[in-house]
Amino acid sequence: EAQVTQNPRYLITVTGKKLTVTCSQNMNHEYMSWYRQDPGLGLRQIYYSMNVEVTDKGDVPEGYKVSRKEKRNFPLILESPSPNQTSLYFCASSLDRRSNQPQHFGDGTRLSIL
Amino acid sequence: AQKITQTQPGMFVQEKEAVTLDCTYDTSDQSYGLFWYKQPSSGEMIFLIYQGSYDEQNATEGRYSLNFQKARKSANLVISASQLGDSAMYFCAMRGIGSNDYKLSFGAGTTVTVRA
Repeated sequence: EAQVTQNPRYLITVTGKKLTVTCSQNMNHEYMSWYRQDPGLGLRQIYYSMNVEVTDKGDVPEGYKVSRKEKRNFPLILESPSPNQTSLYFCASSLDRRSNQPQHFGDGTRLSIL
Repeated sequence: AQKITQTQPGMFVQEKEAVTLDCTYDTSDQSYGLFWYKQPSSGEMIFLIYQGSYDEQNATEGRYSLNFQKARKSANLVISASQLGDSAMYFCAMRGIGSNDYKLSFGAGTTVTVRA
């Protein structure tokens, strides 16, 4: 089954404790992206990747890191999480960067930073 | 820069009736794609429908249709014959081909509640 898999689905942690949210897709997609969803703001892009070893900042990259060492994986790293990073996070992928390609989303990761 | 505006934070609709969700956008890209996603209370994002900026026909997918008015920069979603399972948040999004950025820009969303 074609899917985007995120882990964990839920995480409660404390300020400053490094964490990684994993994302994996099995569709051989080139384009992958991370979003955060906050009430009233919709989804905002954090980072995106057009292919292996090619990543770039989105609209809200501060406090986050990503890597794309393999085509299927695109982990999101919070080196020193803070309470303002409490949010619902989505990983998404699409076949490539063309505008007619829909992005397929993972089920989301709800992070609470205390 | 791209901007998506959804002016309806929440809507109620009677079961079996049609509902229109508004979406306007602003972009300097000549070529772009418009998408609608559904987010039920369980949280996942479900792709519903796509409209390309050069498509002459309005897109349709089952009970979903997109009323695309390019000159007015609007891409309204119409859900016909509403069902209780349509209760969800709906997001309008666009993806352009400008500079090196191929991101998907989202509106703030509209919550639809279908009443029996």
